[in-house]
Amino acid sequence: NAGVTQTPKFRILKIGQSMTLQCAQDMNHNYMYWYRQDPGMGLKLIYYSVGAGITDKGEVPNGYNVSRSTTEDFPLRLELAAPSQTSVYFCASSYGTSGSGVDEQFFGPGTRLTVL
Amino acid sequence: AQSVAQPEDQVNVAEGNPLTVKCTYSVSGNPYLFWYVQYPNRGLQFLLKYITGDNLVKGSYGFEAEFNKSQTSFHLKKPSALVSDSALYFCAVRPFTSGTYKYIFGTGTRLKVLA
Repeated sequence: NAGVTQTPKFRILKIGQSMTLQCAQDMNHNYMYWYRQDPGMGLKLIYYSVGAGITDKGEVPNGYNVSRSTTEDFPLRLELAAPSQTSVYFCASSYGTSGSGVDEQFFGPGTRLTVL
Repeated sequence: AQSVAQPEDQVNVAEGNPLTVKCTYSVSGNPYLFWYVQYPNRGLQFLLKYITGDNLVKGSYGFEAEFNKSQTSFHLKKPSALVSDSALYFCAVRPFTSGTYKYIFGTGTRLKVLA
């Protein structure tokens, strides 16, 4: 299993440009999440999904959009990049709940985005 | 508001000494609690979790954590630290609320184990 994969690893955008951060998982997890990690701030939830076709906002959704057309993929779209979106972005997935209770999240390696 | 606090930005410990990384939480109801570790330029990796049962939870790489309901704490511990344990550690909580699928993360504690 590849686990959770993210592309690209690095990207530099100019203000106003758009891009899509790709995330895929091959563990058949229902739940998927997008976080951003800023220095000293921990992880902030941007959007999450509990299954194909179902998404919901997290703490910091402004400036982002998501879609979940398949169980495997959960892309994050930035429409008009701003310097405040400079961050490291992590995608994560989990079963949600299983016979053992609440399940842990599996994280991708991250995408480091700089907006200039 | 529901929150997780990691009161120490950095913890320094000598190799071979016991280590503790602190975490306290404020959520309604019974929480599900997690510890993750992040090595440089990597994603977070799961270490251990508390769902129910024994207050002392054992996890990967010799780590354990103690759930204390009265103090609303979930401190991470290891009896003998290794230099390779140096990393960024995150505490996370998922509130036990119907329909809630969100995890709340602390700001992280950088552990430095000195040879």
